[in-house]
Amino acid sequence: DGGITQSPKYLFRKEGQNVTLSCEQNLNHDAMYWYRQDPGQGLRLIYYSQIVNDFQKGDIAEGYSVSREKKESFPLTVTSAQKNPTAFYLCASSKTGEQYFGPGTRLTVT
Amino acid sequence: GQQVMQIPQYQHVQEGEDFTTYCNSSTTLSNIQWYKQRPGGHPVFLIQLVKSGEVKKQKRLTFQFGEAKKNSSLHITATQTTDVGTYFCAGIWGRWALNFGKGTSLLVTP
Repeated sequence: DGGITQSPKYLFRKEGQNVTLSCEQNLNHDAMYWYRQDPGQGLRLIYYSQIVNDFQKGDIAEGYSVSREKKESFPLTVTSAQKNPTAFYLCASSKTGEQYFGPGTRLTVT
Repeated sequence: GQQVMQIPQYQHVQEGEDFTTYCNSSTTLSNIQWYKQRPGGHPVFLIQLVKSGEVKKQKRLTFQFGEAKKNSSLHITATQTTDVGTYFCAGIWGRWALNFGKGTSLLVTP
């Protein structure tokens, strides 16, 4: 089955801890993206990567970090510097423009 | 940064009524994409519009791109309960710059 997977579906962390969200795709897509979704806010771009070993900041990159060591994988780390980390995080990949989204990870930080 | 404004934020209709959501940009877009997100789900690509004045149909859904490529609309004829969800437009100004609107949440009551 081709697709994009994110794990876990739900994640709970204590304030002050870093946490890494997984995103894997087997669609052979070059571009991958991370979005954050808050109620009533739509999707806001955190980071994106057009090719392995390269990535760019999106609109709300502060407090987040990424890596792109493999074409298939684009993990996102939510650091303790992110002031409001509780949100729904969506990963997407793309080859020709249209984006394919993973099922998302709902992160709760208390 | 470049943004797309989407209205209305919410729409509640009776099954069988029509529905329209509008997307506007202050600057000329290269392309525009539309996505649907069911409650609890992830966004799913519906369509991409590229040409000025373009109109595309998918069964009961009609997508339009304005002549100036600054606005777009999605019209659903005779809504059904399966149409429930949030509809997002995403404006594209360059190859990688894709900005999502805040979405229109559609509720359809039988």
